[in-house]
Amino acid sequence: EAGVTQSPRYAVLQEGQAVSFWCDPISGHDTLYWYQQPRDQGPQLLVYFRDEAVIDNSQLPSDRFSAVRPKGTNSTLKIQSAKQGDTATYLCASSLGLGGGTGQLYFGEGSKLTVL
Amino acid sequence: QQKVQQSPESLIVPEGGMASLNCTSSDRNVDYFWWYRQHSGKSPKMLMSIFSNGEKEEGRFTVHLNKASLHTSLHIRDSQPSDSALYLCAAAKSNYNVLYFGSGTKLTVEP
Repeated sequence: EAGVTQSPRYAVLQEGQAVSFWCDPISGHDTLYWYQQPRDQGPQLLVYFRDEAVIDNSQLPSDRFSAVRPKGTNSTLKIQSAKQGDTATYLCASSLGLGGGTGQLYFGEGSKLTVL
Repeated sequence: QQKVQQSPESLIVPEGGMASLNCTSSDRNVDYFWWYRQHSGKSPKMLMSIFSNGEKEEGRFTVHLNKASLHTSLHIRDSQPSDSALYLCAAAKSNYNVLYFGSGTKLTVEP
């Protein structure tokens, strides 16, 4: 079974530039998450979807970050006008089902962003 | 976001020793806990989950949960250098499928 696929694996930007990260979840997983993980810290939830619907995006810095999952499969996280504070690894995860708190998350290898 | 606190921030144990990691949630509505392990440069992988009071053992790994205090602990016996990683505790409420993570404990097992 193929895992969660993310690209690109690495990105280096100057402040003010934009970047998009792409995620392909495990086939059949209806719930998709984006987490931000600064170096040597735990992942922090940015947004998550059930199918194509956004369930919670309250932690997205909405003025510069956006995320979509138009067909309920792949997802794109975009950062416009990047800042040095955005330097982190962006992890995509997927799971089967929403609710119950018992679903295991499967993470991709992450997209490591460095903003100079 | 829910607050999940882990201690210690870092831990060094000798090969063959016992490592003990702690995690507490400040949200009384949390019902479920997981432990994930993340090797350097890799993605987090689920190690163990625990949803009921008591203890659960899988090989060299044992987790404890006290729901009254919302405290869980992970114990690794006969630690190996390959156990060196960032250990993440995650918690969730029963009616959500969102995991909130602590900052992690960085474990180093010295040969």
